Amino acid sequence: TQLLEQSPQFLSIQEGENLTVYCNSSSVFSSLQWYRQEPGEGPVLLVTVVTGGEVKKLKRLTFQFGDARKDSSLHITAAQPGDTGLYLCAGQTDSWGKLQFGAGTQVVVTP
Amino acid sequence: GAGVSQSPSNKVTEKGKDVELRCDPISGHTALYWYRQRLGQGLEFLIYFQGNSAPDKSGLPSDRFSAERTGESVSTLTIQRTQQEDSAVYLCASSLVPGGYYNEQFFGPGTRLTVL
Repeated sequence: TQLLEQSPQFLSIQEGENLTVYCNSSSVFSSLQWYRQEPGEGPVLLVTVVTGGEVKKLKRLTFQFGDARKDSSLHITAAQPGDTGLYLCAGQTDSWGKLQFGAGTQVVVTP
Repeated sequence: GAGVSQSPSNKVTEKGKDVELRCDPISGHTALYWYRQRLGQGLEFLIYFQGNSAPDKSGLPSDRFSAERTGESVSTLTIQRTQQEDSAVYLCASSLVPGGYYNEQFFGPGTRLTVL
């Protein structure tokens, strides 16, 4: 059973469209991270959110942490083929950095 | 190299054999993590090392799995008597700041293990 539920599991869109990926849990996290993973590589950190209600922007990517620190969303505006990858959310519950990962959302952006 | 390295990149073994996977963390990173990623799934925490503290082994799935770390450098993950369900990508990560909220973990490319 995944502590963090991600939806959808798979998303295929055309270049220029917008998309949103969700990460939900019944647990409260001290922080939540989003990673992107490409085939044959390890995940790479995109952002860390800490405060309930926090919104962070990274170019065309917008990340939001829920007010109760139990859920998060990732919104991509005007997606590009380079955005293709597996997006993983990971929640931290202790002070030592141990992360609980969601199953990931596979995003495919076609030209 | 500047990043986390893992070897071998691919390992094919027969059921019942032992395997050893290696991780070289980024120099100076005191924390080291091992994860397992099954096909189409997220990362499953296995074990965590921090300096000279006792490792957090809470994620190891069975006593066939063990890991060691020499000081703050190389780590090896050993799987004894491999089973087909052990087939997965094994990822290693290291971090500079072991605690706190902004703990960025840097991942290696992983070792793809296939048990026939």
